[in-house]
Amino acid sequence: GAGVSQTPSNKVTEKGKYVELRCDPISGHTALYWYRQSLGQGPEFLIYFQGTGAADDSGLPNDRFFAVRPEGSVSTLKIQRTERGDSAVYLCASSPARGASEQFFGPGTRLTVL
Amino acid sequence: GENVEQHPSTLSVQEGDSAVIKCTYSDSASNYFPWYKQELGKRPQLIIDIRSNVGEKKDQRIAVTLNKTAKHFSLHITETQPEDSAVYFCAATYSGNTPLVFGKGTRLSVIA
Repeated sequence: GAGVSQTPSNKVTEKGKYVELRCDPISGHTALYWYRQSLGQGPEFLIYFQGTGAADDSGLPNDRFFAVRPEGSVSTLKIQRTERGDSAVYLCASSPARGASEQFFGPGTRLTVL
Repeated sequence: GENVEQHPSTLSVQEGDSAVIKCTYSDSASNYFPWYKQELGKRPQLIIDIRSNVGEKKDQRIAVTLNKTAKHFSLHITETQPEDSAVYFCAATYSGNTPLVFGKGTRLSVIA
């Protein structure tokens, strides 16, 4: 079946602009994670959804970052007033059920803030 | 919170030799330890994982060992091939729905 998909694959924006990044998890997966990966680093956790609710948003760096998952499937990561330091690859992952740990990653969105 | 350290950061081996990557973790409650392979510009792909009730797991040329007492786990790749060249990440989590904490990665180069 289809894996996790993310759109757009690349996003170039200017400092101060607003961006939205979309994640389509594997059908039926209840858990959805957002990570951020800077060059030469491992993925760093941002926020995690179980169903529609954010179970843990402790990784969001500040209040410019927000994410939603209104129907328990697709999720959107929203970044306001983008800064150059937000440039990174934003990865989404999903896993099938509560208590299951294997996470399947999407291809990521490469965000560049000029 | 959990902290995962990974080393070495880069590793070069001759084709056919073995490669070993080591990770340590800090939270004794962690009980799930996956390894991901990431090729340039691609998504991380799970290659093997181990849970804390097991000391070793093997899948063809890849094996992972876990020492819970010392809080470290290792990835072993035998008979390396050029297509094994990639960045490898270890991670740790408590399986009760907590996010993965990743190491900084090891860039493995297999020289033909």
